[in-house]
Amino acid sequence: QKEVEQDPGPLSVPEGAIVSLNCTYSNSAFQYFMWYRQYSRKGPELLMYTYSSGNKEDGRFTAQVDKSSKYISLFIRDSQPSDSATYLCAMRETGANNLFFGTGTRLTVIP
Amino acid sequence: EAQVTQNPRYLITVTGKKLTVTCSQNMNHEYMSWYRQDPGLGLRQIYYSMNVEVTDKGDVPEGYKVSRKEKRNFPLILESPSPNQTSLYFCASSLKPSSGTVKGNTIYFGEGSWLTVV
Repeated sequence: QKEVEQDPGPLSVPEGAIVSLNCTYSNSAFQYFMWYRQYSRKGPELLMYTYSSGNKEDGRFTAQVDKSSKYISLFIRDSQPSDSATYLCAMRETGANNLFFGTGTRLTVIP
Repeated sequence: EAQVTQNPRYLITVTGKKLTVTCSQNMNHEYMSWYRQDPGLGLRQIYYSMNVEVTDKGDVPEGYKVSRKEKRNFPLILESPSPNQTSLYFCASSLKPSSGTVKGNTIYFGEGSWLTVV
């Protein structure tokens, strides 16, 4: 079983839709949770960062962590064509160096 | 501008011909690492380095070597490439990842190096 599971999609939504992206994980020691966005032919870039459980909002993006269910989500409101990218979840333990990535979900927002 | 620069960006090579992918960062980061990205497998760490002369294996180190002689550079060496090393490679850098801050958990990735071994 992989440490981090993520539905690869692809996911296509119309412009303006609310998008929900999710990851599950098996290691209860993970404390730091991140979402990276990767445009085609580019390196991933950090989008959202959350420590432990709870919600974090940044503009149209909301990250949620439910440690009891070992489940994290990224919500995108009023999705735009510029949001079309692959979204990767990532997580690590406190004090650990290694970051575990999901496989990524490819999102296309159709104008 | 904060940057991780890797070269070459695209390379086709033959089995067994040694090659080096260079990586350089301008942010004075202690931590550097190499990942490969494959369809259905996501990003997997090859090697990482906590500082100069300190390197360690990641999840998929077989067939790769690294060195960290200077803080800014972290080359990836394929001594005898094989077709199963055909992949998209990313170099990355950050502050020490044990920090609990956003800055400490922000990994900066290079643009990627597409490597094909035939």
